[in-house]
Amino acid sequence: SQQGEEDPQALSIQEGENATMNCSYKTSINNLQWYRQNSGRGLVHLILIRSNEREKHSGRLRVTLDTSKKSSSLLITASRAADTASYFCATDDYNNNDMRFGAGTRLTVKP
Amino acid sequence: EAGVTQFPSHSVIEKGQTVTLRCDPISGHDNLYWYRRVMGKEIKFLLHFVKESKQDESGMPNNRFLAERTGGTYSTLKVQPAELEDSGVYFCASSRTLVQETQYFGPGTRLLVL
Repeated sequence: SQQGEEDPQALSIQEGENATMNCSYKTSINNLQWYRQNSGRGLVHLILIRSNEREKHSGRLRVTLDTSKKSSSLLITASRAADTASYFCATDDYNNNDMRFGAGTRLTVKP
Repeated sequence: EAGVTQFPSHSVIEKGQTVTLRCDPISGHDNLYWYRRVMGKEIKFLLHFVKESKQDESGMPNNRFLAERTGGTYSTLKVQPAELEDSGVYFCASSRTLVQETQYFGPGTRLLVL
């Protein structure tokens, strides 16, 4: 199955609520990245977490990485309607010169 | 359903040569995206096709890069002449419509320019 699988596939919440998206992967990684894509536009890099890090923050974003479970989560706190987008995780494996994307989570934040 | 495929998986060329990358999106997907990842950095958007039309090519680095999608099916990305800084991984992704935003990524083409 696909490396970097996100769940849920779709998430709908109210403005002000927190949104949590998860990503699982199968092989060893050097880092994991989260990206966002608005409708019709390219990917925007959100945050990168290295394999020796467990948690990272950037503004309203919080990313965790559990290498023992081969999983990561992206938490968006106090969501806004403008956060509506698709969110992807991508894993980086330097040993195999490999980068894989998941299918993404479609987040809808209702005003 | 077959996923997004890209060809070749790897390409090693000399500076000054031409390389053409190909992407076959999932059948029925109108939207096709090209991305590039230069060594160790984040993915960057190159351009977006809707069927055969270029919707957004704001990410194309310079005029050495030419993307086409004749007939609205597969797409090619030509680099001519290739420079050393063009080395990286080129990803293609497709999605059905803009309403359904989920993109499906191909495995990428690893380009090395010597």
